[in-house]
Amino acid sequence: AQSVTQPDIHITVSEGASLELRCNYSYGATPYLFWYVQSPGQGLQLLLKYFSGDTLVQGIKGFEAEFKRSQSSFNLRKPSVHWSDAAEYFCAVGARAGGTSYGKLTFGQGTILTVHP
Amino acid sequence: DTAVSQTPKYLVTQMGNDKSIKCEQNLGHDTMYWYKQDSKKFLKIMFSYNNKELIINETVPNRFSPKSPDKAHLNLHINSLELGDSAVYFCASSHSLFVRQGDNYGYTFGSGTRLTVV
Repeated sequence: AQSVTQPDIHITVSEGASLELRCNYSYGATPYLFWYVQSPGQGLQLLLKYFSGDTLVQGIKGFEAEFKRSQSSFNLRKPSVHWSDAAEYFCAVGARAGGTSYGKLTFGQGTILTVHP
Repeated sequence: DTAVSQTPKYLVTQMGNDKSIKCEQNLGHDTMYWYKQDSKKFLKIMFSYNNKELIINETVPNRFSPKSPDKAHLNLHINSLELGDSAVYFCASSHSLFVRQGDNYGYTFGSGTRLTVV
C-alpha cells in the first residue's frame, strides 16, 4: 500500500528566507507525486506534480520540488518565502494506472508553515 | 464559475440526524471523490466514482451513502450522525480515473463542508 510521511508538523521561517518541506513516500514502483497547499478555510490547490522525466519540477507561486528515487523523497522548496505563503502544505502520492488504487491519492499529514515578518 | 462547488459550506446538526452534502463540477471530469479531513487535518479518501460508477469505497460506515445522478454530481448522504463524523468533507474531481502522464492530471478540490455534530 502507498503511504506518505511529512516529518515536520510545523515549520516557521522568516519572510525572505528559503524553505524546504520534506516528504517521504512508500510505493512499490515509481509513483506520481503531488504537492497541494491549503489556506485556512479553503480547499486544496495543486502546486506541482511529478509524473516522470526531469526530477526537478517547477510549480506555481515560485515553488519547486525534486524527486529523489534513492531517498524516496519529494521535497518542496522555495528560495524566498513571502508572508502569503503561510498555509498548510500536503504531499500526496498517486497510484499509476492499474491495480485497485487507481485514481486514489494518499496524502501526508500536512506541514503547517508560519511566516514571520 | 466555481469549478467544484459544494453545499453547504457549514453544517451544524444534532446527533442522530440525517444530512446531505452536495457536490457539482463543471469541468467535464469523469471522476469524482469524497475525502474526509479530520481534526488533525489528515485527509483520507472515502469514495470515488467514475462516470457514475462506484470505484473506491474505503471502509466507510454504511451510514455514509454516496449518490452520483450524473458524472457532474456526487452527493454524500449521512444517516444517524455521530459526534465522530465532525470533520471537513472535501469533494474533488479529476479528468480521468487513471493517473496517466499526458493527462492534465490533478484533483480539483471544492472548498469543503465543515460538518459539526453536537
